[in-house]
Amino acid sequence: GEDVEQSLFLSVREGDSSVINCTYTDSSSTYLYWYKQEPGAGLQLLTYIFSNMDMKQDQRLTVLLNKKDKHLSLRIADTQTGDSAIYFCAESGSGGGADGLTFGKGTHLIIQP
Amino acid sequence: DAGVIQSPRHEVTEMGQEVTLRCKPISGHNSLFWYRQTMMRGLELLIYFNNNVPIDDSGMPEDRFSAKMPNASFSTLKIQPSEPRDSAVYFCASSWYGGYTFGSGTRLTVV
Repeated sequence: GEDVEQSLFLSVREGDSSVINCTYTDSSSTYLYWYKQEPGAGLQLLTYIFSNMDMKQDQRLTVLLNKKDKHLSLRIADTQTGDSAIYFCAESGSGGGADGLTFGKGTHLIIQP
Repeated sequence: DAGVIQSPRHEVTEMGQEVTLRCKPISGHNSLFWYRQTMMRGLELLIYFNNNVPIDDSGMPEDRFSAKMPNASFSTLKIQPSEPRDSAVYFCASSWYGGYTFGSGTRLTVV
């Protein structure tokens, strides 16, 4: 079945860039997503990218997609303490998400002062 | 719009008791999903509905779990009888053709 892999932790200094990586197995995925989860809260959609794109930028967020290697990354520029959270990568499968998303286990982003 | 509303936010129950989790999706969304989040397994899709009809319940772990969507504005996930290994955060999400919105979740503790 489909699988999404992420490293569990990433530690960065405040003000540096954070790069969170993800690999997925379903090459037919139409959309790939990044969600953010703060303690005790639900999942908040940060950004998504269509599979025929290789880059998307939205303010401090940059998403890079390497479809050949099935590799997705999220770069957060000028990381702030408010960025401390768990970041989930998710893929939609060929159905575009109509039959659910497959999530990675999440990357805990830890900000050092 | 108030978003996806789940209740209760926290539930503590004794093993063997029935537990019912509730979800109100965003008005106009045509799909509803129930996910379970644990440290060990991450986020797992349990069941989803399209236009109030259950489409795929292959993620429901056991017959003790059941879900209903009697109308477009309400869904329940029921566990009967509950067991300690059911302790997790249960999320409901609604979607309009792939645009997902998650609720804040119900943290279930079975003791």
